[in-house]
Amino acid sequence: GAGVSQSPSNKVTEKGKDVELRCDPISGHTALYWYRQSLGQGLEFLIYFQGNSAPDKSGLPSDRFSAERTGGSVSTLTIQRTQQEDSAVYLCASSQSGRPGANVLTFGAGSRLTVL
Amino acid sequence: QKEVEQNSGPLSVPEGAIASLNCTYSDRGSQSFFWYRQYSGKSPELIMFIYSNGDKEDGRFTAQLNKASQYVSLLIRDSQPSDSATYLCAGTGGKLIFGQGTELSVKP
Repeated sequence: GAGVSQSPSNKVTEKGKDVELRCDPISGHTALYWYRQSLGQGLEFLIYFQGNSAPDKSGLPSDRFSAERTGGSVSTLTIQRTQQEDSAVYLCASSQSGRPGANVLTFGAGSRLTVL
Repeated sequence: QKEVEQNSGPLSVPEGAIASLNCTYSDRGSQSFFWYRQYSGKSPELIMFIYSNGDKEDGRFTAQLNKASQYVSLLIRDSQPSDSATYLCAGTGGKLIFGQGTELSVKP
């Protein structure tokens, strides 16, 4: 696609429910990143993919968080048993280079998650 | 110590002045650095990146990198009210890590 597409743009859920956030990167971009941004805070690194592999999962806050990428394209971030502290904007970004971070990231518009 | 650190600000400058934004990083393996701008409620957008020691200029923006001091800066000349935003510094030696951002306010 022309840009990085994320869905849903807004998600309100109840504490304890599972949520899935989707990211469709720019066509041909091999690297895909997930970040979390809480209100008034910077970007917290969660995970990145090189193709379908995730060389670095160190940023995932807990085992309730998981992510996968299939076909070197779409990625899904899943949060199980959501907690109120999970409320944030989840940003996805992709880049063209095979080397992580070597090229410019293009960000999606984000998925705003609110856990009641 | 955070991997990438920025003064959170807010930094306030008058219109037409030079705004100076600073960033330090802890990973000496970091090879490239990026400055992103984020308007309130929007996603980050790239301003410029720098790989080599020294200065890199692009219009009103100049990025400076000093690998020995592990320091990156962004200068904005002739600041405009439209430059008011949060500026995010990011570095990479593998994964791209962002600082917490510096809020800039340019007063007319």
